[in-house]
Amino acid sequence: DAMVIQNPRYQVTQFGKPVTLSCSQTLNHNVMYWYQQKSSQAPKLLFHYYDKDFNNEADTPDNFQSRRPNTSFCFLDIRSPGLGDAAMYLCATSRDHHRTGDEQFFGPGTRLTVL
Amino acid sequence: GQQVMQIPQYQHVQEGEDFTTYCNSSTTLSNIQWYKQRPGGHPVFLIQLVKSGEVKKQKRLTFQFGEAKKNSSLHITATQTTDVGTYFCAGDNYGQNFVFGPGTRLSVLP
Repeated sequence: DAMVIQNPRYQVTQFGKPVTLSCSQTLNHNVMYWYQQKSSQAPKLLFHYYDKDFNNEADTPDNFQSRRPNTSFCFLDIRSPGLGDAAMYLCATSRDHHRTGDEQFFGPGTRLTVL
Repeated sequence: GQQVMQIPQYQHVQEGEDFTTYCNSSTTLSNIQWYKQRPGGHPVFLIQLVKSGEVKKQKRLTFQFGEAKKNSSLHITATQTTDVGTYFCAGDNYGQNFVFGPGTRLSVLP
């Protein structure tokens, strides 16, 4: 019944050690988003895919990359995690682009700890 | 760049009291969405507003979009303990940016 699935739910990595977070969806939505949410803050959009078109937010650090090999899956790669990258990472999907105001469905998130 | 502000940051109410959170954008919005995030949970979509001056109701929740499409409000009548959480507005400025406001954290005392 799950619609947006994120694995793992908790991830611990070491400073500078690359890490990949994954997201899958059963909704067949065109758009997939990655957000970073730090404690007691709002989700911050990192980037999104509209189908295969990648859209990076202007202030997203180069340390963050994403891949979408097919409609169902999207990955967030953090090439060299720093202590400041410790956060909850939320994946979301929507049928259409956010400019239409289409509802976004969020996954449960992956909490990343950087040691 | 686009900035979205919300007030208040925190609100503590007694169960049965009303609650309102206000959202203001530095730029005109094409649409605004509202989300609720329970403690330890993920954001859940509540509503989308698109038209200038639009008002929508969901049971005890009333959402408004300002005439200039730069502000919005969420009003909850007769709060219940199940209303506890953080309420975020999120605005799109015609596809250029999609930004969440900082949220209003609501506590409801029984």
